[in-house]
Amino acid sequence: DQQVKQNSPSLSVQEGRISILNCDYTNSMFDYFLWYKKYPAEGPTFLISISSIKDKNEDGRFTVFLNKSAKHLSLHIVPSQPGDSAVYFCAASASNNNDMRFGAGTRLTVKP
Amino acid sequence: EAQVTQNPRYLITVTGKKLTVTCSQNMNHEYMSWYRQDPGLGLRQIYYSMNVEVTDKGDVPEGYKVSRKEKRNFPLILESPSPNQTSLYFCASSLSGASYNEQFFGPGTRLTVL
Repeated sequence: DQQVKQNSPSLSVQEGRISILNCDYTNSMFDYFLWYKKYPAEGPTFLISISSIKDKNEDGRFTVFLNKSAKHLSLHIVPSQPGDSAVYFCAASASNNNDMRFGAGTRLTVKP
Repeated sequence: EAQVTQNPRYLITVTGKKLTVTCSQNMNHEYMSWYRQDPGLGLRQIYYSMNVEVTDKGDVPEGYKVSRKEKRNFPLILESPSPNQTSLYFCASSLSGASYNEQFFGPGTRLTVL
């Protein structure tokens, strides 16, 4: 039972354009959401997070939007750079629980 | 350098031969966790530990054991590996629980069970 879903396995964008990665979740108890970035042969690294009390969090070129009513979050990267090419994982957790649920990942390719 | 280390990085073994994958962190983190990554399924949590001597099952604990005798170490034990445990394994740690904390991941261990 995948409680966190990333329905797009891959995304390709042109350098300088916006990348939008989407994530849906089913468990209404989730109240903390994170995005991780993974390069080949490395472990995932934390990118940005958002708690359920907010609907937007911004860090440089990266912005995460949360729509609680739709149980949907998205990661915007503006402008996209070739170094952003990686697999992006969406993750969620609930404050009354200490397990973490991840989506299947979206492979982003940014073309020069 | 703050890091999570895993050993070995690559392992090929045969069905039924017990193995241990070690994980160590040098950040004095309380929370540690093991995940497996499989195509189309993303990262699935196997076990996690809130602190020394405290461990809990994650999403896919069957066929695995863990122990947390020291704060820095969290080994993953496969008592009788089977081919369906062929996967990429990641250890992770965070300051405290999974909520409201980013996790730091190790580089991964690619396990093949023949």
